[in-house]
Amino acid sequence: SQQGEEDPQALSIQEGENATMNCSYKTSINNLQWYRQNSGRGLVHLILIRSNEREKHSGRLRVTLDTSKKSSSLLITASRAADTASYFCATPSPGTSYGKLTFGQGTILTVHP
Amino acid sequence: GAVVSQHPSWVICKSGTSVKIECRSLDFQATTMFWYRQFPKQSLMLMATSNEGSKATYEQGVEKDKFLINHASLTLSTLTVTSAHPEDSSFYICSALTLNTEAFFGQGTRLTVV
Repeated sequence: SQQGEEDPQALSIQEGENATMNCSYKTSINNLQWYRQNSGRGLVHLILIRSNEREKHSGRLRVTLDTSKKSSSLLITASRAADTASYFCATPSPGTSYGKLTFGQGTILTVHP
Repeated sequence: GAVVSQHPSWVICKSGTSVKIECRSLDFQATTMFWYRQFPKQSLMLMATSNEGSKATYEQGVEKDKFLINHASLTLSTLTVTSAHPEDSSFYICSALTLNTEAFFGQGTRLTVV
């Protein structure tokens, strides 16, 4: 079953704006990852945040994790047309730590030039 | 980062035939690989865990006789869709686990069964 629920399902913004995507999960985890998928392509790993971290940055990406609310957010700042893609959060399947992942439903981000 | 190569990128086959998809870790050894399936506009669903030298572990609802997995070496896992039907048309993606427990994904295989 899908553990992660993401919102919004779709997000349309203009270049230069920020994009925020949210993910909720159900069971306890020790890490959460975010991936990007361009249309019809494989997954690109964006960032991993561990359960003892509250916030993590990587370039224009900012990820937060609230284990008390079982939720995470991905913020892309100063978005570009090239950021257009689907974004998924992923958590380890219950009883595992890495690799065997349960994915959220994903957010389709469209950045208009 | 580590590179995982999936082949073919896309394949069209006739109903009733079998199709083999390869997943290779190019610059690292992977004792564990995973196979996912993704239907259009949906998320990825784990199908099975492939372990080198042993039988694969399938997720609930995935037919092991239909989706044959072989992990004969530390760098190669194959998924064979047997007696394919149009409902098997999907995007299949593998991932390989490195020793430091990071998973890298292949570029995926789009299967169309006609």
